[in-house]
Amino acid sequence: AQSVTQPDIHITVSEGASLELRCNYSYGATPYLFWYVQSPGQGLQLLLKYFSGDTLVQGIKGFEAEFKRSQSSFNLRKPSVHWSDAAEYFCAVGLGGGSYIPTFGRGTSLIVHP
Amino acid sequence: DAGVIQSPRHEVTEMGQEVTLRCKPISGHNSLFWYRQTMMRGLELLIYFNNNVPIDDSGMPEDRFSAKMPNASFSTLKIQPSEPRDSAVYFCASSLKETIYFGEGSWLTVV
Repeated sequence: AQSVTQPDIHITVSEGASLELRCNYSYGATPYLFWYVQSPGQGLQLLLKYFSGDTLVQGIKGFEAEFKRSQSSFNLRKPSVHWSDAAEYFCAVGLGGGSYIPTFGRGTSLIVHP
Repeated sequence: DAGVIQSPRHEVTEMGQEVTLRCKPISGHNSLFWYRQTMMRGLELLIYFNNNVPIDDSGMPEDRFSAKMPNASFSTLKIQPSEPRDSAVYFCASSLKETIYFGEGSWLTVV
């Protein structure tokens, strides 16, 4: 079975600083990869996804993520963080091949200091 | 386009009462998921429907929980009787293929 690891429970950055949230997965083939964001009191919103092709994917709100097969990673980045980016971020992995139930990481809480 | 619609958004109920959570998936989606989110356990998949048929209910905690999907546009998650440990946020999500879309959640408190 696939698994997803988000090694950082909390990340604190200053507004305007760059951000990288880590995500590692365990699966033999190339899975489908997702990042979701959950603002306080809200549901999970899809930020971006990777299925195949260009390993650098662009998402909403200025986020991007890079798939690195050799490292089994799909890290989320943003060059300049805004206070409104403070939220919980979830990485998810799907197998595909007819099985579309994703496995979610435990999430990383982003705190943004002014 | 309307997203996944859940109701109620917030529910406070007394222990022992029946709770029914409702979900309208995105039109045209053929898969529906119920998740539960708590601080202790994170996001847990409770049950997954495909074409209105329950495919995997291994995440349903116990017999007090039941879910139905009578048609493609409606699903319910019922807890009877409810207990304080059921307090959580319950999310409904739907998908057509690989990407699932979440509702805003139903925030349940059992006192």
